[in-house]
Amino acid sequence: DVKVTQSSRYLVKRTGEKVFLECVQDMDHENMFWYRQDPGLGLRLIYFSYDVKMKEKGDIPEGYSVSREKKERFSLILESASTNQTSMYLCASSSTPSYNEQFFGPGTRLTVL
Amino acid sequence: SQQGEEDPQALSIQEGENATMNCSYKTSINNLQWYRQNSGRGLVHLILIRSNEREKHSGRLRVTLDTSKKSSSLLITASRAADTASYFCATDTGANSKLTFGKGITLSVRP
Repeated sequence: DVKVTQSSRYLVKRTGEKVFLECVQDMDHENMFWYRQDPGLGLRLIYFSYDVKMKEKGDIPEGYSVSREKKERFSLILESASTNQTSMYLCASSSTPSYNEQFFGPGTRLTVL
Repeated sequence: SQQGEEDPQALSIQEGENATMNCSYKTSINNLQWYRQNSGRGLVHLILIRSNEREKHSGRLRVTLDTSKKSSSLLITASRAADTASYFCATDTGANSKLTFGKGITLSVRP
């Protein structure tokens, strides 16, 4: 059974904290994605990685960075969390090409106080 | 950048009825996909239809694509309470493009 796992289902952090969201996939996929989902706005792409150590900005990269040191792991970093980053964060992976079917993790609901 | 837009935003039907959801998009596409999201969970892929296809079936799901009208519809036949979820369409433009998701439709199936 293919799987994308995310490190936490729920996370509460304080303004200014550095936050790490981890995502691991076991399908040997080249592509990995981070989205945030907000009511009325749908899914918005934050960052995308198509290979180890490679990354591309999505539609809303400001305030975020990413790391992909191993093929199976893609981390989203909030350098200094702010209240407007309170959201549901979804990780996904896919095989190449990048528009193939995506497999999603269960999501991390992050609250920044 | 929002490409697909689903319609209606919310739909409530009785168990056993058919549910029809629509997606319109603005630019030419390579593929269109539909995903389902149960409350508070990740998305699950349902079906993919290519731009040169007009109709596709998978179990109780039927997807149509009209590239001249830049629209797609997802039909769920004989709906069940377990079909209650949000449904998203996602499009790509081929080559190195990524998926662009719509805002989703909330479907409620009453027992």
